[in-house]
Parts: sequence; C-alpha cells; structure tokens
Amino acid sequence: GDSVTQTEGPVTVSESESLIINCTYSATSIAYPNLFWYVRYPGEGLQLLLKVITAGQKGSSRGFEATYNKETTSFHLQKASVQESDSAVYYCALGGGGKLIFGLGTTLQVQP
Amino acid sequence: EAAVTQSPRNKVAVTGGKVTLSCNQTNNHNNMYWYRQDTGHGLRLIHYSYGAGSTEKGDIPDGYKASRPSQENFSLILELATPSQTSVYFCASGGDLSQNTLYFGAGTRLSVL
Repeated sequence: GDSVTQTEGPVTVSESESLIINCTYSATSIAYPNLFWYVRYPGEGLQLLLKVITAGQKGSSRGFEATYNKETTSFHLQKASVQESDSAVYYCALGGGGKLIFGLGTTLQVQP
Repeated sequence: EAAVTQSPRNKVAVTGGKVTLSCNQTNNHNNMYWYRQDTGHGLRLIHYSYGAGSTEKGDIPDGYKASRPSQENFSLILELATPSQTSVYFCASGGDLSQNTLYFGAGTRLSVL
C-alpha cells in the first residue's frame, strides 16, 4: 500500500546546529505522487512548509529544503542552522488524487 | 485571518452521546477533509467531500458521519460517541486535486468519557 515512514522523535538539537529528518515513502497506487512537508507549531493547525511535485526537484522554505528522490523513494528534510522557533512537529506526506497520506510526525525540540 | 476554522476547540462528551464537530472555510475550496490524529499514528482520513452535498468515506469512517451542507461548511458527526474516539480532529480544505495541498484548521481536542 501507500505509506510514509519518517524519523521517530523526539529529535533534540541545539540552536545553530544542522538538522535532518528522514522520510521515505511507498507509492504503490499513486502513479505520480506529490511530496510534502507540513509543520505544526504548538496550539496551531498544520501548515504547509514545502512541497515538490516532480521527481528530482528540490523544494525550500524558511531555510528548510527537501529533494524528491524517486530512486531511493526519499524526501528528507534538512536545515543548515536551526533556531529555537523551529521547535514544532514535522510531518512528511504523500499526495495523490486529492488525498494525503501522512507519516507519524517528528517532534523537533531546539535547545537555546 | 484563519481560513479554516474549527469549533469547538475542545470538547468533553459522554459515552453514547452525540457529538458534532464543525468546520468552516473561507478559501472557496471545493474539497474538504476530516482527519484524526492519535499518538503512534499519523493523521488518518475519516471523511472527505468534493463539494456541497457530497461526502465520501476515507480510511477510517466507522462510527462517523459527515455532512457538507454548503461550500463553506463541513461537519463531522459522532452519533454514539465512544472512548476510542477520543482524539484530536483536524479539518482541512483543498483546491485543485492535482496539487493536493491542504489547508488545516487548528484542531479540535475531543475527550469521550
């Protein structure tokens, strides 16, 4: 079936350190999947961080970036230098036919 | 200004009671969705709608009904609430199906005692 697996949290890093949250997907019923990263800050709903709809392309937003790798079926989220305000829950998602399939979410805690 | 608004934000219900969760969107999107999120699970799709008057079953529809009376409003109904339905519920709206991008509300925390 279609599924998303991402880094199990919580992930704790210090401010200004680099970050990578791994995401791999299986898209058996979706011919041309879109890939997304959503973020949920405390007390808020999920909001789109970035998305990529074409394999081989990279998406970026707010210093985060992720590359859609069809060969390794991966869409890892990276940031070179995190800030305390990046503390949130990050969800990788696979999209097709108007629906999204989410990973479990990764809680990121950035220590000052 | 929030484009997807859920109400209530918090709800405590009794087992066997009826619960209605409401969602309103000002994005003028055709598509609306209800998800639930539980520890150890990602967001799971309960029901969705392609437009006013339509509702479709998602991946975990049992125990839930949905109603889409207008473009803007989409409700999730628990006719006989059970403790297993204690969860955080998210409503979302989306436009072009080929783009898949969804816009979420802030969530409703439901506790069924």
